[in-house]
Amino acid sequence: KQEVTQIPAALSVPEGENLVLNCSFTDSAIYNLQWFRQDPGKGLTSLLLIQSSQREQTSGRLNASLDKSSGRSTLYIAASQPGDSATYLCAVWSGANSKLTFGKGITLSVRP
Amino acid sequence: KAGVTQTPRYLIKTRGQQVTLSCSPISGHRSVSWYQQTPGQGLQFLFEYFSETQRNKGNFPGRFSGRQFSNSRSEMNVSTLELGDSALYLCASSERLRTGTGELFFGEGSRLTVL
Repeated sequence: KQEVTQIPAALSVPEGENLVLNCSFTDSAIYNLQWFRQDPGKGLTSLLLIQSSQREQTSGRLNASLDKSSGRSTLYIAASQPGDSATYLCAVWSGANSKLTFGKGITLSVRP
Repeated sequence: KAGVTQTPRYLIKTRGQQVTLSCSPISGHRSVSWYQQTPGQGLQFLFEYFSETQRNKGNFPGRFSGRQFSNSRSEMNVSTLELGDSALYLCASSERLRTGTGELFFGEGSRLTVL
């Protein structure tokens, strides 16, 4: 059974700091991994999708990496801004059970 | 291109009632999946539909059901509501690839409160 862990559950940083959010998963037989952002009371916004054959994806100030062998992914946010404050979730699509498994998310607060 | 649309956005029901939620996917997407989000359990997969067929199902009781129509719109139904069914119900659409799902696009969700 696939399990996805995101630690810590919450993070507070000053504006301008570069930061890394971690995601680990137990079953390396994944098809892809996706990072999302969720603002309070809202749906999820897709940030980056990494296919299992890829090592990283970049979009603007965001960079996500994937290491299947170690069961880890990181989301790098450069020059953080107060508008980046949100909950960040990672999700993996596993071939074994053919469904998406989410982590509990990391709630990020960027202080002005 | 319009995004994923979920209706209603908010609803209040009492225990024992039933509820139907609707989801219209992005045009051209034939895969629709449903998720329940609660503070305690996080996001949990309910089921996925592709071309009117249920492809996968999560670990939820039979009170939770769904269907997909020929235009890819989907509905989910919860019967005999319980207090624990209070949650944000999210729908996502995607292109269905041979190797699993493509990028998921979520709607704003339907917030269900059971009294």
